[in-house]
Amino acid sequence: GAGVSQSPRYKVAKRGQDVALRCDPISGHVSLFWYQQALGQGPEFLTYFQNEAQLDKSGLPSDRFFAERPEGSVSTLKIQRTQQEDSAVYLCASSLMADLYNEQFFGPGTRLTVL
Amino acid sequence: DAKTTQPTSMDCAEGRAANLPCNHSTISGNEYVYWYRQIHSQGPQYIIHGLKNNETNEMASLIITEDRKSSTLILPHATLRDTAVYYCISLRAGSYQLTFGKGTKLSVIP
Repeated sequence: GAGVSQSPRYKVAKRGQDVALRCDPISGHVSLFWYQQALGQGPEFLTYFQNEAQLDKSGLPSDRFFAERPEGSVSTLKIQRTQQEDSAVYLCASSLMADLYNEQFFGPGTRLTVL
Repeated sequence: DAKTTQPTSMDCAEGRAANLPCNHSTISGNEYVYWYRQIHSQGPQYIIHGLKNNETNEMASLIITEDRKSSTLILPHATLRDTAVYYCISLRAGSYQLTFGKGTKLSVIP
């Protein structure tokens, strides 16, 4: 596809369930980012990958959040034992190069609702 | 990266120029000014960026003051599809972590 895709687009989870959110970046993009966007707020950085290496996970809010990109393309954000405060839109973005800033291309996001 | 300040909301008549201000008074010499926008229920979209010279592309123009303490994003002929939240972001050269803030909600009115 031409852009970043994310699945599912919507996810409802009961408190305590584990969830996995998928991101398919633009083919050939080295860098991949995850952001969390609470209702009415701007997106907040979670983590950054350069190929398969997770170089920055400073934004992950707790050790219940885990991200991986094992083959340097598709990435999964996993949230264990979900809590109501995890309800948000999770955005994935990719960009072409790692060291130089390049425009980040965002997917449509996954809206997670924790009941 | 420097903190940016934007008005919470603005209105613009369809077909008129939309001028969105941003204050970044503590910006340092190696920090760029970036603009993204987010249309409802979509991910953010890159618009334009600049360091100290004015920039123009097919979407917008970016005017940066000579002292670089503020900038203005100009959409020359706003359409209803330009209704969105516009984020002004300062980013140090070589950095990647976008700090969005709350942005300006632009409403284009018919």
